[in-house]
Amino acid sequence: DTAVSQTPKYLVTQMGNDKSIKCEQNLGHDTMYWYKQDSKKFLKIMFSYNNKELIINETVPNRFSPKSPDKAHLNLHINSLELGDSAVYFCASGNSGDGANVLTFGAGSRLTVL
Amino acid sequence: GDSVTQMEGPVTLSEEAFLTINCTYTATGYPSLFWYVQYPGEGLQLLLKATKADDKGSNKGFEATYRKETTSFHLEKGSVQVSDSAVYFCALTGNQGGKLIFGQGTELSVKP
Repeated sequence: DTAVSQTPKYLVTQMGNDKSIKCEQNLGHDTMYWYKQDSKKFLKIMFSYNNKELIINETVPNRFSPKSPDKAHLNLHINSLELGDSAVYFCASGNSGDGANVLTFGAGSRLTVL
Repeated sequence: GDSVTQMEGPVTLSEEAFLTINCTYTATGYPSLFWYVQYPGEGLQLLLKATKADDKGSNKGFEATYRKETTSFHLEKGSVQVSDSAVYFCALTGNQGGKLIFGQGTELSVKP
């Protein structure tokens, strides 16, 4: 069973389009995250939700809107896509009660904006 | 704010060579420290962790010791294999809402 699953794995689209990436975890974790990995492999947190409540919102353009319908799902919707949005987006989950906060990551969704 | 700095890559080694990847951090309080590994085309996996000063994390022959006095968490392995080729990320969680803050990653390539 996949612990953190993201769909789609690959996404190629034109500038200006709107797209979504879905994430689901079956680990029973209460916190989920979106990270963006750029072409130089640098990882930066975008959002975090704890039990459907937004707790971390880094300096991300408001074209990016996360949605958490329940604590097992965290989707990422992106409006008006730009070339600079091309990256690999990773979903992750963890437990807030875990002092070390070990995260489990999905396999990533590679977004290419043409 | 909290931050992590790793040695620049790429690092290229021959099989069975000794590996060190340096990692230093800046944080208030007492962060937990991690090494994650990303194999080609995959997501990140936890390699090892340490939650307090002088703790040593170890896994798959890799080790790292939490050094508060030098604010470091260097990754070492005595004898690398081709299958260790990957990108290695040092990371910490501190007091900033539990978020995991990563270093810039170090790409390791091991040649036969």
